[in-house]
Amino acid sequence: KAGVTQTPRYLIKTRGQQVTLSCSPISGHRSVSWYQQTPGQGLQFLFEYFSETQRNKGNFPGRFSGRQFSNSRSEMNVSTLELGDSALYLCASSSLGGEDTEAFFGQGTRLTVV
Amino acid sequence: QQQVKQSPQSLIVQKGGIPIINCAYENTAFDYFPWYQQFPGKGPALLIAIRPDVSEKKEGRFTISFNKSAKQFSLHIMDSQPGDSATYFCAASFPTSGTYKYIFGTGTRLKVLA
Repeated sequence: KAGVTQTPRYLIKTRGQQVTLSCSPISGHRSVSWYQQTPGQGLQFLFEYFSETQRNKGNFPGRFSGRQFSNSRSEMNVSTLELGDSALYLCASSSLGGEDTEAFFGQGTRLTVV
Repeated sequence: QQQVKQSPQSLIVQKGGIPIINCAYENTAFDYFPWYQQFPGKGPALLIAIRPDVSEKKEGRFTISFNKSAKQFSLHIMDSQPGDSATYFCAASFPTSGTYKYIFGTGTRLKVLA
C-alpha cells in the first residue's frame, strides 16, 4: 500500500508570510503526527491528531497550527513565518490498533524562509 | 523526564565493524522503543523496534539490546556496510490521551568507510 505522502516537497517563503503543508497518511491510519527537524535540534514534536482531534501538542508557539480531516488527511499551518522556521517538516502516521503503534514517516517538506 | 538521550552524536567505522549507538531514558511509562534510519533528503524509516518485555531483538544485521533496569537500549549493526551510512534516531513512546506520543533522540550520524 502507498506510504505517507507529503506535499509540497519543497517550499520557499518570505518572512511574515504563512504556509500550509499537507500530509496524507497510510490508508487506514487515523493518527497523524507532525515534527520539525533541524540540524541542531533533531526531531521536535509539533502536534498529533487522531480522529480529527488534536490529542497531543509540543512546545511550539501558536503560529503553528494544524487540523485533520474526516479522511485522516492532515494540514499544518505556520503563520507569520520567521527565518528560524526553516526546517524539514515531517509527518508520521500510525494505525494505533491494538499492539500496532508503529509510526511511518513521509519524506517531508523542506521549508526555507528567506 | 520525557527526554531520550542518544550518544554518540557521530560515529565513523570501517566496513565490517560493529557500530553501537546508545540511548537512555527516564520515564518508566515508555513501552515501545523503535529505531529509525534516515538518509539525506528522505524521511526516517522504521528499522527495528522492541518492547520492554524482551532484552534483545535481532532483524538481519540489526540488533537492539534493552536493559530495563538501567533504562537504556542500544542499536548494534553487525558487519556494517557503506550503505549503512545514515543518521540513526532512537525513540521511545508511551500511551497518552488515547494515543501514543513519541520522543526522539537527537540522532547519530554514522559513516561506514569502504
